Amino acid sequence: GAGVSQTPSNKVTEKGKYVELRCDPISGHTALYWYRQSLGQGPEFLIYFQGTGAADDSGLPNDRFFAVRPEGSVSTLKIQRTERGDSAVYLCASSLTTGGAKNIQYFGAGTRLSVL
Amino acid sequence: AQSVTQLDSHVSVSEGTPVLLRCNYSSSYSPSLFWYVQHPNKGLQLLLKYTSAATLVKGINGFEAEFKKSETSFHLTKPSAHMSDAAEYFCVVNRAGSYQLTFGKGTKLSVIP
Repeated sequence: GAGVSQTPSNKVTEKGKYVELRCDPISGHTALYWYRQSLGQGPEFLIYFQGTGAADDSGLPNDRFFAVRPEGSVSTLKIQRTERGDSAVYLCASSLTTGGAKNIQYFGAGTRLSVL
Repeated sequence: AQSVTQLDSHVSVSEGTPVLLRCNYSSSYSPSLFWYVQHPNKGLQLLLKYTSAATLVKGINGFEAEFKKSETSFHLTKPSAHMSDAAEYFCVVNRAGSYQLTFGKGTKLSVIP
């Protein structure tokens, strides 16, 4: 597709359940990023992939959060034992390169996660 | 460390009047600065970027921003607001050589007919 695609657009789950959020980056983009946007806040960095490997996962809030990108394209963000505080919009972005002036990140529309 | 402060959480203007969205940044290194716009239920869209070339940066849809190092500011302006400009705007800083974007809390722009 032309842009970053995220599915589902909305996800409602119950406290304690497991969820997976999918991101399909722009074709050819080697770098992929996940951000989380809580209500009334700007997006906050979670994790960054260069190819298949997680180059920086320092933004993941705790070990209930995990992300994979097994073939260097599609990525899945996985959240175990969801809590109400996990409710947010999860944004995915991709870029052709990383670092500075060429680091133009293109964002998907996000997945709105609601934990009841 | 780097940070961004958007000085107004909400700005309201009349259609056809100028827009000013204020942003101050803090960065230990020469930063790249961006403005992104977010329309409801749509992805963040890049408006413009500053990367240490010209200090006055022109973006899409008539927006521009001026980098002022002495004031550590990167305010976004537009001479004449359109109804379609109503959205949330984010000022973003990216330290040179880094991939992490640091976002401000956003400014919601309302345009009154």
